[in-house]
Amino acid sequence: DAGITQSPRYKITETGRQVTLMCHQTWSHSYMFWYRQDLGHGLRLIYYSAAADITDKGEVPDGYVVSRSKTENFPLTLESATRSQTSVYFCASSESIPGGGTDTQYFGPGTRLTVL
Amino acid sequence: AQSVTQLGSHVSVSEGALVLLRCNYSSSVPPYLFWYVQYPNQGLQLLLKYTTGATLVKGINGFEAEFKKSETSFHLTKPSAHMSDAAEYFCAVSGGNTPLVFGKGTRLSVIA
Repeated sequence: DAGITQSPRYKITETGRQVTLMCHQTWSHSYMFWYRQDLGHGLRLIYYSAAADITDKGEVPDGYVVSRSKTENFPLTLESATRSQTSVYFCASSESIPGGGTDTQYFGPGTRLTVL
Repeated sequence: AQSVTQLGSHVSVSEGALVLLRCNYSSSVPPYLFWYVQYPNQGLQLLLKYTTGATLVKGINGFEAEFKKSETSFHLTKPSAHMSDAAEYFCAVSGGNTPLVFGKGTRLSVIA
């Protein structure tokens, strides 16, 4: 199916465990983004990537690791999950960075992560 | 650096009434401004955006927004609310070639 998908959609884990959230897009967009959404904070950027093997920190990168070996995939890993990382995580992709003609971001359906 | 302030975390309107969602931005460079909408249990989708040119921009579902540089605002309006407009709305800003910075969101409720 064309589009942007995230897996799993729901995840419950325990403090200290490693968790990887997957993101896959079929458009061959150059840019991919990871956000977390928390009540009272809106969306905050964790990491983004301009192309394969190019990643950069966003507003709240601590405790997270990303990689991008292929254009279509952008996994997000919580190396040692903490309760403060309980959140809804959204992946997004776009052809260009804001200001470019093709800068619309397309969002996945989200992953709801609970850390006990 | 850029930032966005959305006034009102929750706005409630009657069906058929005017919708006005407020967004003020801060940017040291000419801004690019966006409104995204999030329906329950879904990801965000673009409503409209301002990059350059005409300051009144029209988007999907009858929404529009006006870029007012002197007021550093980009308020979202719709003349007549529908029940299907109930959602969370996010204003976002970029300085160009930088990632979007989102506001905290405004939840719109539409009362029959």
